[in-house]
Amino acid sequence: KAGVTQTPRYLIKTRGQQVTLSCSPISGHRSVSWYQQTPGQGLQFLFEYFSETQRNKGNFPGRFSGRQFSNSRSEMNVSTLELGDSALYLCASSVQVSSSYEQYFGPGTRLTVT
Amino acid sequence: AQSVAQPEDQVNVAEGNPLTVKCTYSVSGNPYLFWYVQYPNRGLQFLLKYITGDNLVKGSYGFEAEFNKSQTSFHLKKPSALVSDSALYFCAVRDLQGSQGNLIFGKGTKLSVKP
Repeated sequence: KAGVTQTPRYLIKTRGQQVTLSCSPISGHRSVSWYQQTPGQGLQFLFEYFSETQRNKGNFPGRFSGRQFSNSRSEMNVSTLELGDSALYLCASSVQVSSSYEQYFGPGTRLTVT
Repeated sequence: AQSVAQPEDQVNVAEGNPLTVKCTYSVSGNPYLFWYVQYPNRGLQFLLKYITGDNLVKGSYGFEAEFNKSQTSFHLKKPSALVSDSALYFCAVRDLQGSQGNLIFGKGTKLSVKP
């Protein structure tokens, strides 16, 4: 099976712009989670989608949004970019194994805001 | 609030020696604990998990972790370190007040294995 894919891998944007990141989960995985990774804050949960519905959301401003399509692919959008949004954005798809979920991560999208 | 702590920013080990990467947790209820590894410019790779059962959990690449409820710890171990084990290691706990796909991660520990 192919792993989790994320596009683009690298992105440079200017403050005030918006950006859309894409994630394709492993085939058959219906849950997709997004995380932000920065040197200062580490890995922080953004949101999780399951069957096109947002199941949970982390403590991020409303500028961060996401959605999931019927084929389980997911996108996240950040509007009005700020310098502090520069980070590695990781997507993970989940499958239930032995009464719990295991998350499999993509390689990430490196976003740089200038 | 649930959390995990990795008290060491960096661990240095000589190749062939045993390694331990420490993790402590704080959860209200039974913890679901995970270890992930991240190589440079890569996403996180799942190593192992503890849900219930045996306190010693075996995972990928020869790693294992010991769950200790009294000490609220879940330390990652390997009997003999390899240079290729050098990477960033993350301990995580499932947010029991969230959904299955919501993990709370520690700050990470950089493991450096020297030849």
